[in-house]
Amino acid sequence: DAGITQSPRYKITETGRQVTLMCHQTWSHSYMFWYRQDLGHGLRLIYYSAAADITDKGEVPDGYVVSRSKTENFPLTLESATRSQTSVYFCASRDLAGPTAGEQFFGPGTRLTVL
Amino acid sequence: DAKTTQPTSMDCAEGRAANLPCNHSTISGNEYVYWYRQIHSQGPQYIIHGLKNNETNEMASLIITEDRKSSTLILPHATLRDTAVYYCIVRVVSGSARQLTFGSGTQLTVLP
Repeated sequence: DAGITQSPRYKITETGRQVTLMCHQTWSHSYMFWYRQDLGHGLRLIYYSAAADITDKGEVPDGYVVSRSKTENFPLTLESATRSQTSVYFCASRDLAGPTAGEQFFGPGTRLTVL
Repeated sequence: DAKTTQPTSMDCAEGRAANLPCNHSTISGNEYVYWYRQIHSQGPQYIIHGLKNNETNEMASLIITEDRKSSTLILPHATLRDTAVYYCIVRVVSGSARQLTFGSGTQLTVLP
């Protein structure tokens, strides 16, 4: 399917477990982003990537790891999940240039619950 | 990126125009005004953006004041499916990754 997809859509895990959230986009967009959304905080940036093998921290990176070996994939890993990481996670991408360069396209989100 | 101020919530009758204001008095000359919306439990969705001139697309119109310190998003014929949180964001387009900084937005409720 064309666009940006996330998997899984829902995940329940336990404290201390490693969890990986997947994000895949079919547009070959240069930039990709991970946000988390919690009640009372809106969307906050966790990590972003300007291109394959280039990643950088956002506002709330602690406890998360990202990688980008291929342009189209940007997985987010919680190395040892904590209850405070219970949230809805959104992946987004945007193009480097062109008429849609300013737009970010968001995935449908992954609802993660850490027990 | 310039800070924006939006009302917390607004109501609109179905079929009527919804006018959502946004103040961005500290906007710089190279910053665009973007609007996104987020329908409950979905990812944010791009609506429209503009620099100086008014813009219109199939979803909405964007009116930017001449001094660029405020703008209004207009949904010409609101439907129940337009109920969402609407975010006004001011940012530059070129340069670095420039992630979006989402404020609190305006909760628009379209009433039947």
